[in-house]
Amino acid sequence: AQTVTQSQPEMSVQEAETVTLSCTYDTSESDYYLFWYKQPPSRQMILVIRQEAYKQQNATENRFSVNFQKAAKSFSLKISDSQLGDAAMYFCAYSRTDSWGKLQFGAGTQVVVTP
Amino acid sequence: DTEVTQTPKHLVMGMTNKKSLKCEQHMGHRAMYWYKQKAKKPPELMFVYSYEKLSINESVPSRFSPECPNSSLLNLHLHALQPEDSALYLCASSQAGLAGLIYNEQFFGPGTRLTVL
Repeated sequence: AQTVTQSQPEMSVQEAETVTLSCTYDTSESDYYLFWYKQPPSRQMILVIRQEAYKQQNATENRFSVNFQKAAKSFSLKISDSQLGDAAMYFCAYSRTDSWGKLQFGAGTQVVVTP
Repeated sequence: DTEVTQTPKHLVMGMTNKKSLKCEQHMGHRAMYWYKQKAKKPPELMFVYSYEKLSINESVPSRFSPECPNSSLLNLHLHALQPEDSALYLCASSQAGLAGLIYNEQFFGPGTRLTVL
């Protein structure tokens, strides 16, 4: 069984600063997908970034980047130049490539952005 | 159009009522999902439809009955619910590969906040 662990229930960051959210996962698969989803107070889940396990290069999307360490089964998210709009619950998620869309979510990390 | 819409936004129902939640997408996605989310918890998968056929039922009680009338529409019929079923119900959609493998970039709707009295 796959499990996804987010060990930080809440992280606080000042505007313009950088925050890193940790995520570890457990799997015996060699090919899979990893995702970070953001859920703001409005409640709509938004995909932030996606990583295919076979790609060694870390994914980046504007101010969001990941540090994917396949051997360590670690997938951290770095938010640079934090903005008030980044305040949200962030979920790390894992999916096998043949899992019929089954996402395994972590417990989530609440990001608080202070002016 | 990269939007998944859900109606209603809020629903209050009694334990003897029958109601339905509706989800719609026009992105050409052939996989659609229902999730249940309790406060401050991650979403829990309930059902997955692929090409209008049910491919996953996560042992959901029969008081929840999904339906996929066409590739754009997904319904969740509710009957004889319990107060513990109160939650945010999220719909999502994604592309689906021809061989049944699903590319898992899921697009979520805003959810329906359900309260069972």
